[in-house]
Amino acid sequence: DQQVKQNSPSLSVQEGRISILNCDYTNSMFDYFLWYKKYPAEGPTFLISISSIKDKNEDGRFTVFLNKSAKHLSLHIVPSQPGDSAVYFCAASVGYGGSQGNLIFGKGTKLSVKP
Amino acid sequence: DAGITQSPRYKITETGRQVTLMCHQTWSHSYMFWYRQDLGHGLRLIYYSAAADITDKGEVPDGYVVSRSKTENFPLTLESATRSQTSVYFCASRGPQGQPQHFGDGTRLSIL
Repeated sequence: DQQVKQNSPSLSVQEGRISILNCDYTNSMFDYFLWYKKYPAEGPTFLISISSIKDKNEDGRFTVFLNKSAKHLSLHIVPSQPGDSAVYFCAASVGYGGSQGNLIFGKGTKLSVKP
Repeated sequence: DAGITQSPRYKITETGRQVTLMCHQTWSHSYMFWYRQDLGHGLRLIYYSAAADITDKGEVPDGYVVSRSKTENFPLTLESATRSQTSVYFCASRGPQGQPQHFGDGTRLSIL
């Protein structure tokens, strides 16, 4: 059973507009959430994270929102740029990185930003 | 250069052969991880290591063996490769608790 779900396999957005990528989780013990970006033929690159004691974390054009009651988080990219075109993975763990730091990943959402 | 490197980047082998994927990191991170990425599955954890000589199974460990004699290296061995192990393999490392994992660029492994 998938503990981290990204229900949209793909998303297309116009340059300059907002991109919103969604992620749902089922394990209420998760308390640390991360977003990774992945370009073809490269490894995932860490983008932004949030712990469960917060409901928002911002880093430049990227903002992650966490709704614990809904077990939902979202990544907002404003404004979107063509270089943001990539696959975005949501990941979660127990114990703020945990003693093992094991991450559970969603299947990813492919974002295409059109000029 | 500092970072995490995987070798080889591409590998083709035959069923039944043994193959080892290498991972090397220069940050002296305690934790290291191996994932596989398959269509429709995202990234799944194979094995992880909390320190030299300490390893443990992840979600999909069957058919794989790991070792960690030195902090900086974490090789992954397929002792008798099967077609179902055709995948892209990613190694990652992590520093102290609360820090994100950092990934290598992957090894694309094809088993014929």
